[in-house]
Amino acid sequence: GQNIDQPTEMTATEGAIVQINCTYQTSGFNGLFWYQQHAGEAPTFLSYNVLDGLEEKGRFSSFLSRSKGYSYLLLKELQMKDSASYLCAVRPATGTASKLTFGTGTRLQVTL
Amino acid sequence: GAGVSQSPSNKVTEKGKDVELRCDPISGHTALYWYRQSLGQGLEFLIYFQGNSAPDKSGLPSDRFSAERTGGSVSTLTIQRTQQEDSAVYLCASSFRDNQPQHFGDGTRLSIL
Repeated sequence: GQNIDQPTEMTATEGAIVQINCTYQTSGFNGLFWYQQHAGEAPTFLSYNVLDGLEEKGRFSSFLSRSKGYSYLLLKELQMKDSASYLCAVRPATGTASKLTFGTGTRLQVTL
Repeated sequence: GAGVSQSPSNKVTEKGKDVELRCDPISGHTALYWYRQSLGQGLEFLIYFQGNSAPDKSGLPSDRFSAERTGGSVSTLTIQRTQQEDSAVYLCASSFRDNQPQHFGDGTRLSIL
């Protein structure tokens, strides 16, 4: 089975740094994705990790530890527009398992 | 357009009616996915197309749900005899190949009265 956990809500201050954690237990692993979703809009792709370590892309970074079943998304220099839901998704092993299994998302509120 | 296009953006219908939801993927994307997002729930996988074939239909919740894809492009998700629990946002995504990041459309918000 697949189980993905992430906090439901987080609040952070504009200009600060926030870390959103995601733990997963899946039957097989072939990559972890982070998506951003503003209310009423489509999820947009942020990052992809398949090997252990940190992937940096501007203000956003994503980390993966496969042995711990753990990932985090790090957002630096927070801006008001970063207020959104952040979705952690895992792709199981290869084969026909190209579908993604999503967590319920973390709703981030950035305040002044 | 450059992105995944879904229509209609909103659909309100009475219980028991059939509905068709349409997805136009990004041109050249061979893989297409349907997901469902209910309030307070994560995205739930429904079906995956590679070209016109569907190697994974495991997420379709019942035989009232079906989907097809023609010409390796447009896909239609059909829900027959709709029930109130079918109310959700139905999202379509496409990717260049099945191991590439998926790009989502804005979804169809389906409300069953």
